[in-house]
Amino acid sequence: GAVVSQHPSWVICKSGTSVKIECRSLDFQATTMFWYRQFPKQSLMLMATSNEGSKATYEQGVEKDKFLINHASLTLSTLTVTSAHPEDSSFYICSARDRSDHQPQHFGDGTRLSIL
Amino acid sequence: QQQVKQSPQSLIVQKGGISIINCAYENTAFDYFPWYQQFPGKGPALLIAIRPDVSEKKEGRFTISFNKSAKQFSLHIMDSQPGDSATYFCAATSWTDKLIFGTGTRLQVFP
Repeated sequence: GAVVSQHPSWVICKSGTSVKIECRSLDFQATTMFWYRQFPKQSLMLMATSNEGSKATYEQGVEKDKFLINHASLTLSTLTVTSAHPEDSSFYICSARDRSDHQPQHFGDGTRLSIL
Repeated sequence: QQQVKQSPQSLIVQKGGISIINCAYENTAFDYFPWYQQFPGKGPALLIAIRPDVSEKKEGRFTISFNKSAKQFSLHIMDSQPGDSATYFCAATSWTDKLIFGTGTRLQVFP
């Protein structure tokens, strides 16, 4: 089955630092990758959609200068949280859609980000 | 019109019982309806999905019932097991668009 790997799974850092999260499709090519944010006991909130080789499309209310997304290849997308603050602490999840057919999105296991 | 309403918010079922989670949508352009299962600290995993041209789909103990005219669909978990305890999300989308998630149902199955 389609596997999406997300790294790191957990990161703790000081306020003001930047954190990069990687999302890789391991056994398929992903034309489109998605980044979500999830607060405890809540649903997934789409932050942005990224297509390989083009700029990401951000959802309303998501700061594109705060959450930098790069989708440089068909198997890798990165999310960088710049100048992170405690309010950015959350569970970040990526997903990828296989370009070869109309399969649904496959999700990574998420990254727990804690900003001290 | 983009919302997907999900109920109940939480569900407690005894082992061996049937768990039923309901979802409703408004956008008639939606043509794909997946259900995801999420365990604590993990990403959602696709459980089962249905397209609107069928009224029911069954995979093992999991069944989706779909009512196109009512714009409703539901997940039935037969013979619920403690290992099924998780949060379940319904979702809706059209192929080229983003997933719209329901609010989630926390299922607890007691032995």
